[in-house]
Amino acid sequence: EPEVTQTPSHQVTQMGQEVILRCVPISNHLYFYWYRQILGQKVEFLVSFYNNEISEKSEIFDDQFSVERPDGSNFTLKIRSTKLEDSAMYFCASSHQTGAPDTQYFGPGTRLTVL
Amino acid sequence: GENVEQHPSTLSVQEGDSAVIKCTYSDSASNYFPWYKQELGKRPQLIIDIRSNVGEKKDQRIAVTLNKTAKHFSLHITETQPEDSAVYFCAAIMGGAGSYQLTFGKGTKLSVIP
Repeated sequence: EPEVTQTPSHQVTQMGQEVILRCVPISNHLYFYWYRQILGQKVEFLVSFYNNEISEKSEIFDDQFSVERPDGSNFTLKIRSTKLEDSAMYFCASSHQTGAPDTQYFGPGTRLTVL
Repeated sequence: GENVEQHPSTLSVQEGDSAVIKCTYSDSASNYFPWYKQELGKRPQLIIDIRSNVGEKKDQRIAVTLNKTAKHFSLHITETQPEDSAVYFCAAIMGGAGSYQLTFGKGTKLSVIP
């Protein structure tokens, strides 16, 4: 069964540095998402992406964040200047979406630690 | 925006007993309600979902009920087993005008005691 994959599994960075988190969505899916989960808390929506542009974004997704689909398979989340409070598990997800909401499949996550 | 409340935050049951987790949502336009199971350090995995045109859905030991009037939905697990121990999240999607963001509840940590 196809799965969403993410790299790296764990990223440690210094405050103020840029990080890029990578995801490979399921190949025939059309919508891509980033969510984050601070340790012990609920999963929070960051952004959705469709047809090579942002479809929706939350208040968390400020100017420090950006997303890109640089080629036909990868989907990336960039944090320009990391803060301590960006430390969290970041999940990529994808769904097929044919009008009605469809199942979102999550990747294994990247644990980001900002020191 | 949508707000999802989930109760209880923790739940302990004896193996073989049933477990019920309840969620309420705020936006009457929400039309899709998935439940995810998350084991420690792992990805959330869909276990069952329900759409707003259905009142109940069952898959073996797992069932979900939806009351659109009261804006609440519940997860029922029967004959619980130790491997059911995990954190369970309910979620809702508004689904209108191309909105597909999942709004999650805070999660319920289920412990099944052998």
